Formats: sequence, structure tokens, C-alpha cells
Amino acid sequence: GEDVEQSLFLSVREGDSSVINCTYTDSSSTYLYWYKQEPGAGLQLLTYIFSNMDMKQDQRLTVLLNKKDKHLSLRIADTQTGDSAIYFCAESIRRGGSGGYNKLIFGAGTRLAVHP
Amino acid sequence: NAGVMQNPRHLVRRRGQEARLRCSPMKGHSHVYWYRQLPEEGLKFMVYLQKENIIDESGMPKERFSAEFPKEGPSILRIQQVVRGDSAAYFCASSLIEGNTEAFFGQGTRLTVV
Repeated sequence: GEDVEQSLFLSVREGDSSVINCTYTDSSSTYLYWYKQEPGAGLQLLTYIFSNMDMKQDQRLTVLLNKKDKHLSLRIADTQTGDSAIYFCAESIRRGGSGGYNKLIFGAGTRLAVHP
Repeated sequence: NAGVMQNPRHLVRRRGQEARLRCSPMKGHSHVYWYRQLPEEGLKFMVYLQKENIIDESGMPKERFSAEFPKEGPSILRIQQVVRGDSAAYFCASSLIEGNTEAFFGQGTRLTVV
């Protein structure tokens, strides 16, 4: 099936690390993504990881993928107030065979609140 | 190179009216996706189109909703006889080629039905 689940809220202190978790169900996922959405805005792609990798680091962001458990996490080091937003996990599922396309399935989003 | 452009950004319609949402993909992109975000929820896939073709409309309600991506001009998501439950943010994304790793999202159109 196509289902992505995330915890809804996370509150952290400024300067601490944030870890946002996500589980997905479709084992045929090709890529997994993290998007950021600020209030009233669109989606900003933060990072993505190919399904045959288990870790990717990009500045303050670290993505960990446990394919066996279908578990994805996003770690934000030295969290700042500007990181307060909703973070969406998404999996990319291949559809349509050899001439097909990628369909993104999103979680409900984790609302990150950063306090002083 | 402008990003994905959606207009209007905000749209208010009375129940029973029609809503037309426009999406201009990034230059050179011929693949368009529409997603709906209900309040406090994630994005739900609605439809995937290539130029002049609907490829996957499995997420579209069977009635009142239609989408097109003509050879010239923007992609249009059309909702006829809107109801309060249609109030949501509608996002469009475009990609350059099939299977591209990245789909670029527009800012969304926030539809409010009163």
C-alpha cells in the first residue's frame, strides 16, 4: 500500500538537535524526500536520499534510512528559530512500468517548534 | 528562470461556483502534478499530466474535478459547483523528465469556499 506516517509535533530548544521520524510502507520506493513548509508558503525541497543509500549529510542536515524497517529520519543539528516549520516526508513510487513516472506520497507533516 | 507559477494565490468562491486554478511549469518542463492539502494534513496526489495527456488521475474525485495541460499555456485544475469541503491549498509541481529526482513545487492556490 501507499502510506507514509510521521509524528505530528516536535518541540526543541534553540541550539539542540532535532530528529524527525517517518515510516513508509511501499518497499518499491526509489527516492525518499524531506520538504519544509513555512506558514502560508509552498514546499521547499530540503534533501533527498536514494533508496540504496543509508545515510546522507548536507551541512546541518543528516538523513538516515533503514530500508529493512522502512524508517527514515531527518536530523537538524544546532536547530535555529528559523527552522520552525512543518516538515514533510515523502516517498517516490515508480508507476507505469518501463515508461513510467514517479508519484510522490506525502506524510501528514511534523510541526517543529523551536523555543529559546 | 522563474519557478513554478500558480495563480491566483488565494481564491474565494461561493458554494456552487466554479474554481479555475492555473499552473505554469518551469521553463522546459512538460510534466505536471497536482496535489491537494487539506487543513492540518499532508499533500494528497490528485493527477499527473504530460502535455495534452492525463497519465494518472487516480487521486481526482470522480465528479466535479477535471484537469488539463494543453500544448500551449498553463495547466488548469477546474472544480465545478464547489462545496465547503473543497476548501484547501492546491499545489502544482513540475519536472523536466519522467523519473526525475526532483519535482519543483509552486506556492499553491488557497481556495476558500464560503
